[in-house]
Order: sequence, then structure tokens, then C-alpha cells
Amino acid sequence: AQKVTQAQTEISVVEKEDVTLDCVYETRDTTYYLFWYKQPPSGELVFLIRRNSFDEQNEISGRYSWNFQKSTSSFNFTITASQVVDSAVYFCALSEGQYGNKLVFGAGTILRVKS
Amino acid sequence: DTEVTQTPKHLVMGMTNKKSLKCEQHMGHRAMYWYKQKAKKPPELMFVYSYEKLSINESVPSRFSPECPNSSLLNLHLHALQPEDSALYLCASSQSNSVARQPQHFGDGTRLSIL
Repeated sequence: AQKVTQAQTEISVVEKEDVTLDCVYETRDTTYYLFWYKQPPSGELVFLIRRNSFDEQNEISGRYSWNFQKSTSSFNFTITASQVVDSAVYFCALSEGQYGNKLVFGAGTILRVKS
Repeated sequence: DTEVTQTPKHLVMGMTNKKSLKCEQHMGHRAMYWYKQKAKKPPELMFVYSYEKLSINESVPSRFSPECPNSSLLNLHLHALQPEDSALYLCASSQSNSVARQPQHFGDGTRLSIL
């Protein structure tokens, strides 16, 4: 069975601090995809990034960066210079199923950024 | 604003009522999904439609009945629900039935309360 673990239940930081959200996954598949989604209080899940198992390059998008390490089965997400608008629940997810059309979500990490 | 539109935003119903949740997307996506999300929990997949055909049913009770009238619309018909069915119901769509190729885009959800 595939599994995604987000060990940090809740993180509180002060604005402008950097914060890293951890994600560890388990899978027997050689081809798989990992995702990060943001869920603000309004409820919708906002897609942030998709990474396939063959691409271990780190990625940076503005204040967001992702560190994918197959050796440790981790896909961590860092927000640099956090802002109050970053406050949300962040989910890491892993694709599974014959056609990869099932997302298995981690429990989520609540991020609170205080001004 | 999200590109996946869900109505209603909120719904309160009794256990004997019949109601429907609606989801619409105009992105030309051919896969659509229903998720259930309880408070402080990650989303759980309920159904997947691919090219208007039901491809995945995650052993959802028959009191939930999905329908995909066309490629842009997805309904979830509700009948004789239980209080434990109270949750946020999220609709999502993706370009194909393989989430590995394209990410899922989510709506804002319908907050359902069963009295």
C-alpha cells in the first residue's frame, strides 16, 4: 500500500521567517508522481507542484521551493520569507492506481503565519 | 475564483431528504472526481469518471449516487444520508484519467450538514 506521512501537524511562524514542510512517502511503484496542494480557509485545494519519480531536480517558484530526494523518500516544501497569506493547510499527495488517477493524501500540515 | 464551480456552497438537509450536489468545469477536462473531506482530515476519493463513464467507486455507500450527464457536468445525488456524512464535498477535474499526466483542479466544495 502506498502511504504519505506529514509528521508536522501544525507549524506557527512569524512573518518573514522561512519554513519547511516535511513529506515522506512509501511506494513500491518505480513510476509515481508526487504533489503539493494548498487549502486555504475558503476550502478549495490549490495545486502547487507535480514531480515525477524520474526527476530529482529541485524546483523553485518564487518564494516556494521543493526538495525531492528518492534516497530518503522525501519531498519537502520550503516557503521563504513567509507571509500571512501563506496560512493554510498544506497537503502532500502521491498518485497510485493502474492509471495513476488516484491521489493518496498525507494528513496535512496546518501552517499559521503571524504578523 | 476556481475554474471548477460547485453548487451549492452550503447545504443543510434532513436524513430523509433527497438533494443533489453539482459540479461544472469548462476546461475541456475528461476526468472528474468526487472527494469527501471531514474536518481536520485529508480529502478521500469517492468516485472517478473518465470520459463520462464511472471508472472508480471507492466502495461508497449507495446513498451517494454519482452522475455524469456530459463531459462538463458532474452530479452527486444524495438520499437518506446519515449525520456522519456531514463533510466538505470536493469536486475536481483533470485533462485525462491519469492524474500522473495532469494535476487535478479542485472546486471550492459544498459544505454539507445532515440534521
